[in-house]
Amino acid sequence: DIQMTQSPSSLSASVGDRVTITCRASQRISSYLSWYQQKPGKAPKVLIYAASSLQSGVPSRFSGSGFGTDFTLTISNLQSEDFATYYCQQSYSTPGTFGGGTKVEIK
Amino acid sequence: QVQLQESGPGLVKPSETLSLTCTVSGGSISSYYWSWIRQPPGKGLEWIGHISDSGSTSYNPSLKSRVTISVDASKNQFSLKLSSVTAADTAVYYCARRVSDFPYHFDYWGQGSLVTVSS
Repeated sequence: DIQMTQSPSSLSASVGDRVTITCRASQRISSYLSWYQQKPGKAPKVLIYAASSLQSGVPSRFSGSGFGTDFTLTISNLQSEDFATYYCQQSYSTPGTFGGGTKVEIK
Repeated sequence: QVQLQESGPGLVKPSETLSLTCTVSGGSISSYYWSWIRQPPGKGLEWIGHISDSGSTSYNPSLKSRVTISVDASKNQFSLKLSSVTAADTAVYYCARRVSDFPYHFDYWGQGSLVTVSS
C-alpha cells in the first residue's frame, strides 16, 4: 500500500491567516491526489482533486499543488468555517489510501 | 442534487455479519463507481471497496476475505457485507460516489452510519 503522511497533524491559526498543509506519498503518484475537509459529525467534503483542480462550489481561497510525492493544500485568508480536519487521499493505486489528517484549530 | 443515505443495524455482535445499504437519490447509479469508506471513532479514513454499475468490484486487500459489495441498479442501491466482525470493525461507515477512472475522487457522500460491534 502507498503510505500518505500529512504534516502537521494539528495546527492553530487565526482568522485571516494563510495555512499550508503538506502530504507526502511513500512512492510517486503523479497528480493522483485529492484533498477533503471534514467537520465533526459530518462526512468528508472534496476540496481539490487531481492535485490542483478546485471542486465546483469550493471557495477559491483553497488551492492545491504538487506532483510526484509531495503535495500541498493552502488556505489563504482562513475563515471561521474552515476550522476542520483535512485529509489527503491518493488514487494512484489500490487501495486508495488516506493521510492521517490535519486538524486546523482556532488560535 | 445527488444524495446518498446509508441504512442498516447500528449494533452487530462479534463474529456476525455487518450489513449496510446505500440508497442513491437524485441521480442514476449508472456510469459511476460506488464506494464504501469507514472511519473508526476518533481516527482516520479507510477505503473498503467499490462496485461499478455493472457489478465489477475492487476491495481493500486488508479486508478482501471478509467483504462483499453488491449493487441493485433497479432500486438505485448498493450494499456492503462484512463478515466475522470484531470490535476493530466499530466505525462510522460512509457510502460515496467515485468520480472518473484515474485520478478519481469522491464527490458525494452519505451522512455516515455508526456501527458498533459488541455483545
